[in-house]
Amino acid sequence: AQTVTQSQPEMSVQEAETVTLSCTYDTSESDYYLFWYKQPPSRQMILVIRQEAYKQQNATENRFSVNFQKAAKSFSLKISDSQLGDAAMYFCAYSPTDSWGKLQFGAGTQVVVTP
Amino acid sequence: DSGVTQTPKHLITATGQRVTLRCSPRSGDLSVYWYQQSLDQGLQFLIQYYNGEERAKGNILERFSAQQFPDLHSELNLSSLELGDSALYFCASSAPTVNTEAFFGQGTRLTVV
Repeated sequence: AQTVTQSQPEMSVQEAETVTLSCTYDTSESDYYLFWYKQPPSRQMILVIRQEAYKQQNATENRFSVNFQKAAKSFSLKISDSQLGDAAMYFCAYSPTDSWGKLQFGAGTQVVVTP
Repeated sequence: DSGVTQTPKHLITATGQRVTLRCSPRSGDLSVYWYQQSLDQGLQFLIQYYNGEERAKGNILERFSAQQFPDLHSELNLSSLELGDSALYFCASSAPTVNTEAFFGQGTRLTVV
Protein backbone atom coordinates (compact mmCIF):
# COMPACT_ATOMS: atom_id res chain seq x y z
CA ALA A 1 0.00 0.00 0.00
CA GLN A 2 1.12 3.51 -0.72
CA THR A 3 1.67 6.03 2.05
CA VAL A 4 2.20 9.77 1.86
CA THR A 5 3.88 11.65 4.69
CA GLN A 6 3.89 15.36 5.34
CA SER A 7 5.97 16.04 8.43
CA GLN A 8 5.29 19.77 8.76
CA PRO A 9 1.91 20.49 10.37
CA GLU A 10 2.35 24.23 9.85
CA MET A 11 4.66 26.59 8.00
CA SER A 12 4.74 30.35 8.30
CA VAL A 13 6.01 32.70 5.59
CA GLN A 14 6.08 36.43 5.06
CA GLU A 15 4.51 37.99 2.02
CA ALA A 16 6.86 37.99 -1.00
CA GLU A 17 9.09 35.35 0.61
CA THR A 18 9.54 31.70 -0.34
CA VAL A 19 8.36 28.64 1.55
CA THR A 20 9.02 24.97 0.86
CA LEU A 21 6.68 22.19 1.93
CA SER A 22 8.00 18.66 2.32
CA CYS A 23 6.40 15.42 1.25
CA THR A 24 7.69 11.87 1.14
CA TYR A 25 5.88 8.83 -0.14
CA ASP A 26 6.27 5.11 -0.31
CA THR A 27 5.36 2.95 -3.26
CA SER A 28 6.61 -0.13 -5.04
CA GLU A 29 5.35 1.16 -8.39
CA SER A 30 7.70 2.65 -10.94
CA ASP A 31 5.09 4.81 -12.62
CA TYR A 32 2.61 7.00 -10.79
CA TYR A 33 1.53 10.60 -10.35
CA LEU A 34 2.07 13.09 -7.58
CA PHE A 35 0.02 16.16 -6.81
CA TRP A 36 -0.20 19.14 -4.54
CA TYR A 37 -3.71 20.28 -3.64
CA LYS A 38 -4.65 23.47 -1.86
CA GLN A 39 -7.59 23.71 0.52
CA PRO A 40 -8.40 27.30 1.52
CA PRO A 41 -10.91 28.15 4.26
CA SER A 42 -13.69 27.75 1.70
CA ARG A 43 -12.72 24.02 1.91
CA GLN A 44 -12.65 23.66 -1.88
CA MET A 45 -9.91 21.28 -3.01
CA ILE A 46 -7.88 22.96 -5.74
CA LEU A 47 -5.17 21.26 -7.80
CA VAL A 48 -1.97 23.31 -7.62
CA ILE A 49 0.52 21.22 -9.54
CA ARG A 50 1.13 17.67 -10.72
CA GLN A 51 4.16 15.58 -11.57
CA GLU A 52 4.41 12.44 -13.64
CA ALA A 53 6.91 10.04 -12.10
CA TYR A 54 8.39 9.08 -15.47
CA LYS A 55 9.33 12.70 -16.16
CA GLN A 56 12.62 13.84 -14.70
CA GLN A 57 11.88 17.50 -15.26
CA ASN A 58 10.34 19.20 -12.26
CA ALA A 59 6.89 20.68 -12.83
CA THR A 60 6.31 24.42 -12.55
CA GLU A 61 3.09 26.43 -12.47
CA ASN A 62 3.70 30.16 -12.15
CA ARG A 63 4.92 30.75 -8.57
CA PHE A 64 4.63 27.07 -7.66
CA SER A 65 7.34 24.55 -8.41
CA VAL A 66 8.26 21.10 -7.21
CA ASN A 67 11.47 19.29 -6.44
CA PHE A 68 10.87 15.67 -7.38
CA GLN A 69 13.48 13.19 -6.23
CA LYS A 70 12.27 9.79 -7.39
CA ALA A 71 15.01 7.70 -5.81
CA ALA A 72 14.49 9.39 -2.47
CA LYS A 73 10.70 9.30 -2.91
CA SER A 74 10.53 12.96 -2.10
CA PHE A 75 8.20 15.58 -3.59
CA SER A 76 8.49 19.06 -2.15
CA LEU A 77 6.52 22.16 -3.13
CA LYS A 78 8.09 25.60 -3.32
CA ILE A 79 5.87 28.66 -3.21
CA SER A 80 7.71 31.74 -4.38
CA ASP A 81 6.71 35.37 -3.84
CA SER A 82 4.09 34.25 -1.32
CA GLN A 83 0.79 36.10 -1.32
CA LEU A 84 -1.94 36.38 1.31
CA GLY A 85 -4.15 34.28 -0.94
CA ASP A 86 -1.71 31.39 -0.64
CA ALA A 87 -2.77 30.85 2.96
CA ALA A 88 -4.39 27.43 3.04
CA MET A 89 -3.89 23.79 3.90
CA TYR A 90 -1.71 22.06 1.33
CA PHE A 91 -1.99 18.35 0.70
CA CYS A 92 0.48 16.14 -1.08
CA ALA A 93 -1.18 13.26 -2.91
CA TYR A 94 -0.25 10.12 -4.84
CA SER A 95 -2.26 8.39 -7.50
CA PRO A 96 -1.76 5.29 -9.62
CA THR A 97 -1.35 5.66 -13.34
CA ASP A 98 -4.85 4.53 -14.23
CA SER A 99 -6.80 7.04 -12.18
CA TRP A 100 -5.92 10.56 -11.09
CA GLY A 101 -9.00 10.63 -8.92
CA LYS A 102 -7.99 7.71 -6.71
CA LEU A 103 -5.75 9.76 -4.47
CA GLN A 104 -3.77 8.88 -1.38
CA PHE A 105 -3.35 12.09 0.62
CA GLY A 106 -0.85 13.17 3.22
CA ALA A 107 -1.95 14.78 6.49
CA GLY A 108 -1.51 18.29 5.15
CA THR A 109 0.58 21.36 5.95
CA GLN A 110 -1.09 24.59 7.03
CA VAL A 111 0.57 27.58 5.35
CA VAL A 112 0.24 30.86 7.20
CA VAL A 113 1.18 34.03 5.30
CA THR A 114 2.01 37.11 7.34
CA PRO A 115 2.02 40.65 5.93
CA ASP B 1 -16.66 26.75 -9.27
CA SER B 2 -15.43 23.26 -10.15
CA GLY B 3 -18.68 22.20 -11.82
CA VAL B 4 -19.21 19.40 -9.32
CA THR B 5 -22.31 19.92 -7.19
CA GLN B 6 -22.85 18.36 -3.81
CA THR B 7 -26.01 18.53 -1.76
CA PRO B 8 -26.73 19.23 0.98
CA LYS B 9 -23.90 21.50 2.10
CA HIS B 10 -24.56 20.80 5.76
CA LEU B 11 -26.33 17.96 7.50
CA ILE B 12 -26.95 17.38 11.19
CA THR B 13 -28.38 14.07 12.29
CA ALA B 14 -28.55 11.78 15.29
CA THR B 15 -26.63 8.61 15.99
CA GLY B 16 -28.20 5.53 14.50
CA GLN B 17 -29.79 7.40 11.63
CA ARG B 18 -29.25 7.05 7.90
CA VAL B 19 -28.42 9.85 5.46
CA THR B 20 -27.88 10.20 1.73
CA LEU B 21 -25.36 12.56 0.19
CA ARG B 22 -25.76 13.52 -3.42
CA CYS B 23 -23.20 14.42 -6.05
CA SER B 24 -23.68 15.71 -9.58
CA PRO B 25 -20.46 15.42 -11.61
CA ARG B 26 -19.25 17.86 -14.22
CA SER B 27 -20.96 17.57 -17.57
CA GLY B 28 -19.35 14.74 -19.54
CA ASP B 29 -17.46 13.23 -16.61
CA LEU B 30 -18.04 9.51 -16.16
CA SER B 31 -15.99 8.89 -13.03
CA VAL B 32 -17.13 9.85 -9.56
CA TYR B 33 -15.01 9.51 -6.44
CA TRP B 34 -16.03 9.86 -2.82
CA TYR B 35 -13.72 11.03 -0.05
CA GLN B 36 -14.05 11.49 3.68
CA GLN B 37 -12.12 14.22 5.49
CA SER B 38 -12.07 13.93 9.27
CA LEU B 39 -9.77 15.21 11.99
CA ASP B 40 -8.81 11.66 12.99
CA GLN B 41 -8.31 10.03 9.60
CA GLY B 42 -7.49 12.95 7.35
CA LEU B 43 -8.57 12.73 3.71
CA GLN B 44 -9.46 9.18 2.73
CA PHE B 45 -10.58 7.73 -0.56
CA LEU B 46 -13.80 5.79 -0.11
CA ILE B 47 -14.99 4.54 -3.48
CA GLN B 48 -14.98 5.19 -7.23
CA TYR B 49 -17.69 4.67 -9.79
CA TYR B 50 -17.25 4.76 -13.53
CA ASN B 51 -20.29 5.00 -15.78
CA GLY B 52 -22.51 3.29 -13.25
CA GLU B 53 -20.11 0.54 -12.23
CA GLU B 54 -18.01 0.32 -9.10
CA ARG B 55 -14.39 0.70 -10.18
CA ALA B 56 -12.32 0.90 -7.00
CA LYS B 57 -12.88 0.65 -3.29
CA GLY B 58 -10.89 2.29 -0.54
CA ASN B 59 -11.45 2.56 3.19
CA ILE B 60 -15.20 2.46 3.05
CA LEU B 61 -17.09 1.02 6.01
CA GLU B 62 -19.70 -1.69 5.50
CA ARG B 63 -22.30 0.73 6.88
CA PHE B 64 -21.60 2.97 3.91
CA SER B 65 -22.65 2.32 0.35
CA ALA B 66 -22.71 4.25 -2.88
CA GLN B 67 -24.15 4.04 -6.34
CA GLN B 68 -24.04 5.91 -9.60
CA PHE B 69 -27.22 6.33 -11.57
CA PRO B 70 -27.80 6.32 -15.36
CA ASP B 71 -27.73 10.13 -15.40
CA LEU B 72 -24.28 9.80 -13.75
CA HIS B 73 -25.15 11.47 -10.48
CA SER B 74 -23.99 9.55 -7.45
CA GLU B 75 -25.25 9.02 -3.95
CA LEU B 76 -23.36 8.02 -0.84
CA ASN B 77 -25.52 6.34 1.76
CA LEU B 78 -24.36 6.31 5.37
CA SER B 79 -26.31 4.19 7.84
CA SER B 80 -26.23 3.40 11.56
CA LEU B 81 -24.39 6.64 12.01
CA GLU B 82 -21.89 7.05 14.81
CA LEU B 83 -20.32 10.16 16.29
CA GLY B 84 -17.09 9.27 14.54
CA ASP B 85 -18.75 9.54 11.15
CA SER B 86 -18.87 13.31 11.55
CA ALA B 87 -16.73 14.61 8.71
CA LEU B 88 -16.59 16.50 5.46
CA TYR B 89 -17.54 14.25 2.56
CA PHE B 90 -16.20 15.20 -0.84
CA CYS B 91 -17.21 14.07 -4.25
CA ALA B 92 -14.89 14.46 -7.23
CA SER B 93 -15.35 13.71 -10.89
CA SER B 94 -13.08 13.25 -13.88
CA ALA B 95 -13.41 12.93 -17.62
CA PRO B 96 -13.52 9.57 -19.44
CA THR B 97 -10.03 9.87 -20.87
CA VAL B 98 -7.17 8.38 -18.91
CA ASN B 99 -5.13 10.65 -16.69
CA THR B 100 -7.27 13.70 -16.40
CA GLU B 101 -7.65 15.94 -13.40
CA ALA B 102 -10.25 15.13 -10.77
CA PHE B 103 -12.39 18.13 -9.86
CA PHE B 104 -13.76 18.33 -6.35
CA GLY B 105 -17.10 19.55 -5.12
CA GLN B 106 -17.37 21.80 -2.09
CA GLY B 107 -18.25 18.92 0.17
CA THR B 108 -21.06 18.02 2.55
CA ARG B 109 -20.39 18.70 6.21
CA LEU B 110 -21.99 15.89 8.22
CA THR B 111 -22.42 16.31 11.96
CA VAL B 112 -23.66 13.35 13.96
CA VAL B 113 -24.97 14.26 17.42
